[in-house]
Amino acid sequence: KQEVTQIPAALSVPEGENLVLNCSFTDSAIYNLQWFRQDPGKGLTSLLLIQSSQREQTSGRLNASLDKSSGRSTLYIAASQPGDSATYLCAVIFHGSGNTGKLIFGQGTTLQVKP
Amino acid sequence: SQTIHQWPATLVQPVGSPLSLECTVEGTSNPNLYWYRQAAGRGLQLLFYSVGIGQISSEVPQNLSASRPQDRQFILSSKKLLLSDSGFYLCAWSVPVGSGTGELFFGEGSRLTVL
Repeated sequence: KQEVTQIPAALSVPEGENLVLNCSFTDSAIYNLQWFRQDPGKGLTSLLLIQSSQREQTSGRLNASLDKSSGRSTLYIAASQPGDSATYLCAVIFHGSGNTGKLIFGQGTTLQVKP
Repeated sequence: SQTIHQWPATLVQPVGSPLSLECTVEGTSNPNLYWYRQAAGRGLQLLFYSVGIGQISSEVPQNLSASRPQDRQFILSSKKLLLSDSGFYLCAWSVPVGSGTGELFFGEGSRLTVL
């Protein structure tokens, strides 16, 4: 069964700390992997997309890496700020989904950055 | 640029009443369209997806239905709501895999409370 897992479910860090969020997936045959941010009561905002042929993507203080062979992705947040507090979700399109583009989501990691 | 609109943002409905949530996408053609539900404390569940007008695929058996009357319009409906239909409903779109990256973009969501 194709699954996506995120650990830990919740994380609390002091402001300024660098942190890593983890995502693992059960099948290395993926089309792409996407990281999202969700603020309470809001929709999901796409942060970074890593295609199957790529190893990492960067946007500002965010860096996402992809290791298909081990079935892992990490989201690195540098110099965390209270405004980074949100739930971060990882999602994967596995090969075999055809043209549907269906993403399988992890349960998310809820991050709290304390001032 | 592409945008996605979803409405209403909030809805409180009695058990047994009908439901209609609407979603439209602007700035793109032939998108894949999706309806997700996020129940309290749970992850994202894919309800329906559509790869073209009139083409609807259901992921889980339920009290809901979806329709795509136009290329960029996706509607989620129910004839008689149940208490268990309460949740946060999210519409999303992507360029079909094979034509683009498959990156998924979400609307702001519709919060449904069934009383």
